[in-house]
Amino acid sequence: DGGITQSPKYLFRKEGQNVTLSCEQNLNHDAMYWYRQDPGQGLRLIYYSQIVNDFQKGDIAEGYSVSREKKESFPLTVTSAQKNPTAFYLCASSIGATDTQYFGPGTRLTVL
Amino acid sequence: GNSVTQMEGPVTLSEEAFLTINCTYTATGYPSLFWYVQYPGEGLQLLLKATKADDKGSNKGFEATYRKETTSFHLEKGSVQVSDSAVYFCALSPNSGGSNYKLTFGKGTLLTVNP
Repeated sequence: DGGITQSPKYLFRKEGQNVTLSCEQNLNHDAMYWYRQDPGQGLRLIYYSQIVNDFQKGDIAEGYSVSREKKESFPLTVTSAQKNPTAFYLCASSIGATDTQYFGPGTRLTVL
Repeated sequence: GNSVTQMEGPVTLSEEAFLTINCTYTATGYPSLFWYVQYPGEGLQLLLKATKADDKGSNKGFEATYRKETTSFHLEKGSVQVSDSAVYFCALSPNSGGSNYKLTFGKGTLLTVNP
């Protein structure tokens, strides 16, 4: 089955630690995205990548970093510089930049 | 900039009731419009979409019509079921070129359907 996988589903980290969230897709999509969701809010774009080895900041990139070394993978690192990292993180992908985005199941990050 | 406004919830209905969730947008040009659904603890699933004016998207009994004159994309279903309980997000994507293609989401509407 083709799809987007995110792991782990739940993640806990201590304040001051960096943590990396995984996102993998086997849809052969060129574009990938990371969103953050907070209770009662819509989704906010963190980073996006239109093609391998290229990525751009979204609306709330501060305190986050990404890499896109392979077409199927787009990991997100939440650094200690992110002041309020507890949230639900969603990865998405699309065939191209203007095509319909499809979402993974999400990772819930809790900072203790 | 682009924006999406959808009716605030929560919305509580009885099974078999008629559902409308309002969505209006602000955008330049001719965006594509989407409804996504999020079940508890899960990611977003595409429910339906429309890419040009007067298009009607439909799926699983849900419908929405792209109305450019009123800049609206209201979601409707004639008879809701308990299994429709979820959060519904309206979103738009500009169809212009360049890097200005990101999805803009509304804040979501929580729907609860009681038996």
